[in-house]
Amino acid sequence: QVGLQESGPGLLRPSQTLSLTCTVSGGSIRSGSYYYNWIRQAAGNRLEWIGRMYSVGRTDYNPSLKNRVIISVDMSKNQLSLELSSVTAADTAVYYCARMSSSIMAPDVWGQGTTVIVS
Amino acid sequence: SYELTQPLSVSVALGQTASISCGGNNIGNKNVQWYQQKPGQAPLLLIYADSRRPHGIPERFSGSNSGNTATLTISRAQVGDEADYFCQVWDSTTGVFGPGTEVTVL
Repeated sequence: QVGLQESGPGLLRPSQTLSLTCTVSGGSIRSGSYYYNWIRQAAGNRLEWIGRMYSVGRTDYNPSLKNRVIISVDMSKNQLSLELSSVTAADTAVYYCARMSSSIMAPDVWGQGTTVIVS
Repeated sequence: SYELTQPLSVSVALGQTASISCGGNNIGNKNVQWYQQKPGQAPLLLIYADSRRPHGIPERFSGSNSGNTATLTISRAQVGDEADYFCQVWDSTTGVFGPGTEVTVL
């Protein structure tokens, strides 16, 4: 059974670049049948879709974050990565990676999330 | 950008039926997903493509979508159904979530 585990620094200073990884277990990130999403949830609970990678290298980003976000993959480590530049307090949130199949197009496998605080 | 609306909260008596709405411009032309989230947990996919349930999701959870409103229905509500519920669509290649609805079972 596939599992996702997010990791990264819990605390950042404003203007720094946030770097997170999502390690995929129980399956290969190489599979072209899946999309891998980054989604975050700030205090107040609203979910915000950040972006996704599919077909090993193709990406879509939330237009509101597009200028600051890069999603990439390291196939040798079976990891998805998120970089978010020029962070501010507004980027404080729990960050999730989530997988969805191309047949369902709905994130149905989620990591447990990792908390990021910008202060 | 595309926006979704949801009621802030919904209350339902134990064993009764709750309906949670998700409003959006011509949302009936999109596939709608619904997620349940309990405190401290990641969201759980309940419904995809308007009304389809992933394996393991009880039949008590059902969805519909038409016009400008999609609806998640929880039948025979249980205490364990207390959670936040989020709707989600794809606006072209952009994911959009609703603000969430807190469901309380009385």
